[in-house]
Amino acid sequence: DAGITQSPRHKVTETGTPVTLRCHQTENHRYMYWYRQDPGHGLRLIHYSYGVKDTDKGEVSDGYSVSRSKTEDFLLTLESATSSQTSVYFCAIRDRVRNTEAFFGQGTRLTVV
Amino acid sequence: DQQVKQNSPSLSVQEGRISILNCDYTNSMFDYFLWYKKYPAEGPTFLISISSIKDKNEDGRFTVFLNKSAKHLSLHIVPSQPGDSAVYFCAASFSGNTPLVFGKGTRLSVIA
Repeated sequence: DAGITQSPRHKVTETGTPVTLRCHQTENHRYMYWYRQDPGHGLRLIHYSYGVKDTDKGEVSDGYSVSRSKTEDFLLTLESATSSQTSVYFCAIRDRVRNTEAFFGQGTRLTVV
Repeated sequence: DQQVKQNSPSLSVQEGRISILNCDYTNSMFDYFLWYKKYPAEGPTFLISISSIKDKNEDGRFTVFLNKSAKHLSLHIVPSQPGDSAVYFCAASFSGNTPLVFGKGTRLSVIA
């Protein structure tokens, strides 16, 4: 299994509070991604990183920010959580973009009440 | 606008028979296609992939077919087993920094 750890695995938070999810990898892969999975929507890209301090927005980036200060860590922050951000969040890593697969973490189930 | 489409939300197949999962894409720039399998409460796991220079790739019971002119790919599972019951996601990418784009998934149920 690829060395990807997401933390926390489960979290319940209140509307309006900030939340940070962490993705940690031990594979030294350059590319890291945050997806969310919702019923009827599949996996949608939130933000991604193609190197330390290099990040870009995905399809559903509103209300989220990311940071990558080290190769191994990619943080996803909800500045002020809303109920629409209740979801399962997956981190993924990829060694290079040409003809390679991405490996996923176990996911973080976030509930905003 | 969805670039990768899985139009069947669910599929039910008897054990031992063939399962065929379909995927369509709209962006002709895609040159690499993947299938992932996902069990409840777990992350997606890579299953099989195919490059656009091929039209078929096989790995054990799993075969992926690519029809570039139709912008269509399919995953065949033969024979289907109860342990194959999961959600299957189709994904696509092209060269550069672009991430994988996923379809909405198809839930496969293999009935014993």
